[in-house]
Amino acid sequence: GQQLNQSPQSMFIQEGEDVSMNCTSSSIFNTWLWYKQDPGEGPVLLIALYKAGELTSNGRLTAQFGITRKDSFLNISASIPSDVGIYFCAGQMSGGSNYKLTFGKGTLLTVNP
Amino acid sequence: EPEVTQTPSHQVTQMGQEVILRCVPISNHLYFYWYRQILGQKVEFLVSFYNNEISEKSEIFDDQFSVERPDGSNFTLKIRSTKLEDSAMYFCASSESGRTGYTFGSGTRLTVV
Repeated sequence: GQQLNQSPQSMFIQEGEDVSMNCTSSSIFNTWLWYKQDPGEGPVLLIALYKAGELTSNGRLTAQFGITRKDSFLNISASIPSDVGIYFCAGQMSGGSNYKLTFGKGTLLTVNP
Repeated sequence: EPEVTQTPSHQVTQMGQEVILRCVPISNHLYFYWYRQILGQKVEFLVSFYNNEISEKSEIFDDQFSVERPDGSNFTLKIRSTKLEDSAMYFCASSESGRTGYTFGSGTRLTVV
């Protein structure tokens, strides 16, 4: 099956620092998504990317859909304590009536105040 | 903001027992999904459901699993005879069209003892 390699696995940063994480895949996707998960909660959509090369921002978050359609990155600028959580990338290779997501293993972000 | 609602939030069951996990997707959504997340691991696709039938299922979704949309609002996942390795968080998700980011519920933590 499709595999996503997400890195880094974890990050410890100081409040105010910028953060970058990325995902790569051996196969192409039509859509890349970035989710955040807090403990005991479901993933919450942060950014969705639909076109190769697309660069999209959502507040302090910026994500890009790689030109090859096999990678994506997420940047968080000026981190704050509430950014703590697990960030997952997810790829979607849509077709027919199936739109399943393949998730990366996540990046655990810790922000020290 | 519309939500996907899952009940119960936590269920403990004896090995071999049947469980039914319940979900109420967002009302105008047409695509429905179940995912699971074993503690500390990535989110894994189980099954997608559209137009009252399964669109795709993963290898995890064997004969012990079934899904149903018994009325216009509920979407259920049944595990016929639970095993210890079924212990996980189970997330329901829905989307309005296939190629948009899903909305996930908060999950049901299933513990099989």
